[in-house]
Amino acid sequence: AQSVTQLGSHVSVSEGALVLLRCNYSSSVPPYLFWYVQYPNQGLQLLLKYTSAATLVKGINDFEAEFKKSETSFHLTKPSAHMSDAAEYFCAVTYYNQGGKLIFGQGTELSVKP
Amino acid sequence: DAGITQSPRYKITETGRQVTLMCHQTWSHSYMFWYRQDLGHGLRLIYYSAAADITDKGEVPDGYVVSRSKTENFPLTLESATRSQTSVYFCASRADGSGNTIYFGEGSWLTVV
Repeated sequence: AQSVTQLGSHVSVSEGALVLLRCNYSSSVPPYLFWYVQYPNQGLQLLLKYTSAATLVKGINDFEAEFKKSETSFHLTKPSAHMSDAAEYFCAVTYYNQGGKLIFGQGTELSVKP
Repeated sequence: DAGITQSPRYKITETGRQVTLMCHQTWSHSYMFWYRQDLGHGLRLIYYSAAADITDKGEVPDGYVVSRSKTENFPLTLESATRSQTSVYFCASRADGSGNTIYFGEGSWLTVV
């Protein structure tokens, strides 16, 4: 079955440190991959997406992610964490014949320490 | 630029009552979705719709009913609410040819007591 795994339900970093949130998907067909961010009591906001173009994808707020087919991964990174980055992050996948139905990972809560 | 609006945003209801969560989008997107978000489960698809009058079940459809008589509206009804349906519900939509980008509403917080 197709699935998404986010390693680590909670990640804590210091302000200014590198942010790395891990996402792996399982599928033998080419995926479309997404990262969404959710701030408390709000909806999901798209950070970035991979749709079979460049493997290194840049998103909003200096986030980026790299699609690695050999590792079936789509890890999210940011060079320097800000306090405002504290939120829940979701990785999601869909495929060309799925009508846009997303399969979500369980989410990673990012905490940023001053 | 309203996008997707959900109502009510917050609701408390009693077990056994019928509840309808409304979803309205202003983009005329073909596809619409309902997800529920629960701790430890991420978001799970309840129902989706590819166009007006076309709906289909997602991963967790039991206890829910949807309809889509107009492209812009996609209401979700809990026919007889149960405590296990206490959750945050998100409506979403996607346009054809949008690179599969899905846009989410702000969510409806439902508590069943």
